[in-house]
Amino acid sequence: DSGVTQTPKHLITATGQRVTLRCSPRSGDLSVYWYQQSLDQGLQFLIQYYNGEERAKGNILERFSAQQFPDLHSELNLSSLELGDSALYFCASSLLTGEQFFGPGTRLTVL
Amino acid sequence: GQNIDQPTEMTATEGAIVQINCTYQTSGFNGLFWYQQHAGEAPTFLSYNVLDGLEEKGRFSSFLSRSKGYSYLLLKELQMKDSASYLCAVRGGYNKLIFGAGTRLAVHP
Repeated sequence: DSGVTQTPKHLITATGQRVTLRCSPRSGDLSVYWYQQSLDQGLQFLIQYYNGEERAKGNILERFSAQQFPDLHSELNLSSLELGDSALYFCASSLLTGEQFFGPGTRLTVL
Repeated sequence: GQNIDQPTEMTATEGAIVQINCTYQTSGFNGLFWYQQHAGEAPTFLSYNVLDGLEEKGRFSSFLSRSKGYSYLLLKELQMKDSASYLCAVRGGYNKLIFGAGTRLAVHP
C-alpha cells in the first residue's frame, strides 16, 4: 500500500459524459501527478500540482482539467468523453523532488 | 524531442539473470527511475540513478551512463513473481517523469 488513495476504482460511462476522478496523496506529500495508461501503452504524464498550484503540464487534452484543493487532494475532470479515453488513470504523489508513489488507479470504461 | 526506448518483451527462466536495457534522449535529465508494474496494478518503485554507475538493491541492480543515454535493470535469481512490466522513466523539470512503454518480462519454470 503506497498511501495514495484513488476513487472510484472502476467507472463505466457513456460517450459525451463527464466524470471526476479523485486522489488523496500520501500524508505530507505536496505534489500530485496524474497519468493516463491506455491498453498496452506506457504511462502518459498529464499534469502536476504542487501545494495547490499547477506546476507542469503534459499531454493533457483540453477536455480534461484538474485541480488540487487546500487539503491537498486532487480531482481530474474528464468531459465530452470519447471511446479512446478508456484507460487506467493513475495519481501519484511525492515530496517536491522525491520518488513518486502511485495510487491503485481508476479504470475508466467509455461505452 | 523526448524518446525512451525499451524492448517490448523478454522471457527468462526461473533462477536465471536478466538485463533490461533502456536508452533515452530527453530535453532535461534529473535522474532515471525503474518501476515494476503487474498487470492492472500501480507501478511500484524499484530503483533510482542520478549519477553514473551501478546501484544495487538486493536481487535488483540498476546502471546508468549519462554520456551514453543508457541504463539497464539487472534482475538476479529470477522468481515467478518477477513476471511483470518494467518501466524506465526519466525525470525532467519539476519532477515530471517521462516513461518508456515498458518491457513485459515473462519468467518460466
